[in-house]
Amino acid sequence: NAGVTQTPKFRVLKTGQSMTLLCAQDMNHEYMYWYRQDPGMGLRLIHYSVGEGTTAKGEVPDGYNVSRLKKQNFLLGLESAAPSQTSVYFCASSPPGVRQAYEQYFGPGTRLTVT
Amino acid sequence: DQQVKQNSPSLSVQEGRISILNCDYTNSMFDYFLWYKKYPAEGPTFLISISSIKDKNEDGRFTVFLNKSAKHLSLHIVPSQPGDSAVYFCAAWNSGNTPLVFGKGTRLSVIA
Repeated sequence: NAGVTQTPKFRVLKTGQSMTLLCAQDMNHEYMYWYRQDPGMGLRLIHYSVGEGTTAKGEVPDGYNVSRLKKQNFLLGLESAAPSQTSVYFCASSPPGVRQAYEQYFGPGTRLTVT
Repeated sequence: DQQVKQNSPSLSVQEGRISILNCDYTNSMFDYFLWYKKYPAEGPTFLISISSIKDKNEDGRFTVFLNKSAKHLSLHIVPSQPGDSAVYFCAAWNSGNTPLVFGKGTRLSVIA
């Protein structure tokens, strides 16, 4: 099993460009999440999904959009990148219920730099 | 407003000694508290958890203590090893609210 994979691993964008980050999981998990990690800020939830076709806003959703067209995939889009979106992005997946707390599996991260 | 707070950004401990990482929370409705561990260039991984109905949970060298009256939990690592050097995130979960809430993390350095 690959677990949670993220594509790409690194990316440099210019301000105003758009891009999509892809997350894929092979554990048949219902829930998927996108986080960003910034120095001194910890892990902040951007958007999450509790099932195919559903999405919900997290703590810092502005400037991002997401889609969950297939259960195994969760896409994070930046329509017009800004330097403030320079960060490391982590995708995660989990089963529903209480298991989502201690069975949240993270991908290796995508390092995004916006110049 | 931060619901889960880790007030120490970093901690340095000698190998073999005890590491104590602290976490405070504000929401008395949390049902579970957890610690996740993160190495550089990797995603976080689950380490240990404790239910709100318990005050202690032990797993090998790792023990988590919960003080509900003080809204405080701590992670003890005994003895500390260089491989424990990582960022530790405290997290909390409420059955009525889907996502985990993470603290800002504490970077632990275990010095040989």
